[in-house]
Amino acid sequence: DADVTQTPRNRITKTGKRIMLECSQTKGHDRMYWYRQDPGLGLRLIYYSFDVKDINKGEISDGYSVSRQAQAKFSLSLESAIPNQTALYFCATSDLRPGGNTGELFFGEGSRLTVL
Amino acid sequence: DAKTTQPPSMDCAEGRAANLPCNHSTISGNEYVYWYRQIHSQGPQYIIHGLKNNETNEMASLIITEDRKSSTLILPHATLRDTAVYYCIVIVAGTYKYIFGTGTRLKVLA
Repeated sequence: DADVTQTPRNRITKTGKRIMLECSQTKGHDRMYWYRQDPGLGLRLIYYSFDVKDINKGEISDGYSVSRQAQAKFSLSLESAIPNQTALYFCATSDLRPGGNTGELFFGEGSRLTVL
Repeated sequence: DAKTTQPPSMDCAEGRAANLPCNHSTISGNEYVYWYRQIHSQGPQYIIHGLKNNETNEMASLIITEDRKSSTLILPHATLRDTAVYYCIVIVAGTYKYIFGTGTRLKVLA
């Protein structure tokens, strides 16, 4: 089983609908992230969380919200989806190493969202 | 966070070393250099990271210049499975906000 699991893997929806992408992890990491990737482009950070009480905006948080329901779960919501939110979405986790350094990111397999 | 600059694409013959450059001329003393790669549309995969010393692991070697303004990721014997987009990222020690650029698309040719 994957350490970082995203659901759904693929979703087609219509403009104005509410969509939730879910991420769960079994790595025991405190830090979780949501990224989006548009075709031919790199990943852009949407939100990140250090623990269940800590939520932070990334580069492109407008139009998105998140919820950290537990250490292992981090959900991304699009309250009213629009076509330019069509993208590949990745969840990632990392730990905090001794000495205060952030460990490497571990990514899920991605959720492909299409907004018509 | 320091910005990075990478060539958009590179080719490499199978079995040869692939040398992927990254410029990070504004890097600060407490910023690490990380490398990830993304194969097709899979989630990016960690490769290696370093601060100022050269590093080697089972996947690759990382060479950082003495002034730390640039680095090179070396895949010693590239295979077709190394065809991917490679991302160079700098991140302040103790922080968490990885910012990915557009990376280098490496094509390994048979």
